[in-house]
Amino acid sequence: GAVVSQHPSWVICKSGTSVKIECRSLDFQATTMFWYRQFPKQSLMLMATSNEGSKATYEQGVEKDKFLINHASLTLSTLTVTSAHPEDSSFYICSATKKETSSGANVLTFGAGSRLTVL
Amino acid sequence: AQSVTQLDSQVPVFEEAPVELRCNYSSSVSVYLFWYVQYPNQGLQLLLKYLSGSTLVKGINGFEAEFNKSQTSFHLRKPSVHISDTAEYFCAVSDRMDTGRRALTFGSGTRLQVQP
Repeated sequence: GAVVSQHPSWVICKSGTSVKIECRSLDFQATTMFWYRQFPKQSLMLMATSNEGSKATYEQGVEKDKFLINHASLTLSTLTVTSAHPEDSSFYICSATKKETSSGANVLTFGAGSRLTVL
Repeated sequence: AQSVTQLDSQVPVFEEAPVELRCNYSSSVSVYLFWYVQYPNQGLQLLLKYLSGSTLVKGINGFEAEFNKSQTSFHLRKPSVHISDTAEYFCAVSDRMDTGRRALTFGSGTRLQVQP
């Protein structure tokens, strides 16, 4: 099956520092990965689409200079929250697309999420 | 553009009772449909998906869902719930013509609370 690993699962940092979150597809190659943000008791909000070998595509309202995304290889995408502030505290979830060979459909597999707390 | 509506934000139910979580979608094109479950402080786990074929789809943990094209619905059901089914459930849709570069569109989620 498709497995997506996300690290770290929990991170606490001081205001003004930067935090990097990694998303890896362990047993398949993902040309496209997605980064979501989830506030408590709310649905997932798409932040950006990470494309291997090219720049990420950000959703409206998401600051690309604050949330740096790098898709260095077909199995790794990273999200760096730069100069983090308490309002950046949230649950960040990545996902990767794998094409099903039987149906041809693209099915998303999600990482376990990363809880960021900025003090 | 697509949208997903989950009509119930919370569904309380007693253990061993049946449950139905409702999902309706809107799309101008043919879609794939998904149900995901999220346990506290965890990512999303795929419960089941409708891609083609039989409109009744069976998933993990005893859940099933039925695709109704005329009503644009994809309701999730389980005949007998357990305490461990307490979680947040998300319905999602994707474009059939999706090349993989487009994310899913999620509903707002339904909190299933199973009480003893």
